[in-house]
Amino acid sequence: QKEVEQNSGPLSVPEGAIASLNCTYSDRVSQSFFWYRQYSGKSPELIMSIYSNGDKEDGRFTAQLNKASQYVSLLIRDSQPSDSATYLCAVNRNNAGNMLTFGGGTRLMVKP
Amino acid sequence: DADVTQTPRNRITKTGKRIMLECSQTKGHDRMYWYRQDPGLGLRLIYYSFDVKDINKGEISDGYSVSRQAQAKFSLSLESAIPNQTALYFCATSSRNTGELFFGEGSRLTVL
Repeated sequence: QKEVEQNSGPLSVPEGAIASLNCTYSDRVSQSFFWYRQYSGKSPELIMSIYSNGDKEDGRFTAQLNKASQYVSLLIRDSQPSDSATYLCAVNRNNAGNMLTFGGGTRLMVKP
Repeated sequence: DADVTQTPRNRITKTGKRIMLECSQTKGHDRMYWYRQDPGLGLRLIYYSFDVKDINKGEISDGYSVSRQAQAKFSLSLESAIPNQTALYFCATSSRNTGELFFGEGSRLTVL
């Protein structure tokens, strides 16, 4: 079992819809969770971080964390074609020096 | 100016040549990392350094070496490049507290 798992996609949604991206992790001691957005050929860019159970909203983005079920999700409301990218989930297990472990990423395609 | 700067951004070289990728940062972070990204394989950690005197191997260090010349500088070397080292390489930094990574713009290396 991979430490951090994501569906590789592509996830295709129409413009204006809600895109839901999911990530599961295997290590229960994980404490910090991050979502990065990566456009093709570009570097990953941090868009959300979440540390406690529940929802965290930032503009059109909402991160959801459920530590009991060991999953974290990212919702993108009113999806735009410019949201088309690969979304990487990263987990900080708070051991091994606060190192992040990345999932393989989910490719999102928002169609006009 | 970018907080994490990589040079060169693109490089084409031949099998057997020595290549150095350089990274410098102005974020004041102690920790620096080199990642490699290949299509379908996500981000893989090559080497990381928690301070100037600390160098650690990541999951795919074979064929690579690093040097931490200063707190702000971390270089990656391929002593004898081979075609399967063709990839997109990212330098990243983080603070010791959160583990949140900040990436450079990437260096695309092609080995013929």
